[in-house]
Amino acid sequence: QVQLVESGGGVVQPGSSLRLSCAASGFTFSSYAMHWVRQAPGKGLQWVALISHDGTDIYYADSVKGRFTVSRDNSKNTLYLQVNSLRAEDTAVYYCARDSWFGSCDPWGQGTLVTVSS
Amino acid sequence: SSELTQDPAVSVALGQTVRITCQGDSLRNNYANWYRQKPGQAPVVVIHGNNNRPSGIPDRFSGSSSGDTASLTITGTQAEDEAVYSCNSRDSSGHHYVFGPGTKVTVL
Repeated sequence: QVQLVESGGGVVQPGSSLRLSCAASGFTFSSYAMHWVRQAPGKGLQWVALISHDGTDIYYADSVKGRFTVSRDNSKNTLYLQVNSLRAEDTAVYYCARDSWFGSCDPWGQGTLVTVSS
Repeated sequence: SSELTQDPAVSVALGQTVRITCQGDSLRNNYANWYRQKPGQAPVVVIHGNNNRPSGIPDRFSGSSSGDTASLTITGTQAEDEAVYSCNSRDSSGHHYVFGPGTKVTVL
């Protein structure tokens, strides 16, 4: 079955960096664009980034542009999100999701929690 | 930047019908998708492309869209439908995406 598993989250200090990973299985990863979406504690979903199936087209939310970098390794069926210069407001559960019908995100991984705190 | 607005919360009696709306300029030219999220769980798409139900989603879920407003209707609401429902769409640029803030549905 289609499965997405995120990892790499943790508790970090402001200004730190992390690399989040999303391991995909159960589908032809190289054929699909992929999203990163985050959710701050008690808040709504916020779209972060989209990367095309081959990595040639990448789009970021204005709030993370210049600090976050999305990439993928289709040989490893893995999506990445490099998050730099972390701020308290970046504290959130970070989900990866497959781009699906009509631009929907389906399915989603279980998420990985990033906590930025001094 | 594009925004989608939703009512924060709505309540519905067991077995009754509830309609949740999502409003934003991006919906005039882009499909709306709807997600259900239960506490501690990842979102699940319940409607995509305005009115299409993915496999495995009960037919009590339906969607529609007109102008700048998309709607999700749950007919014969069940206790397990209690959750936060969020809408999303591409924004006006077509390359960015936006989510609504979510509507918490409480089943009485």
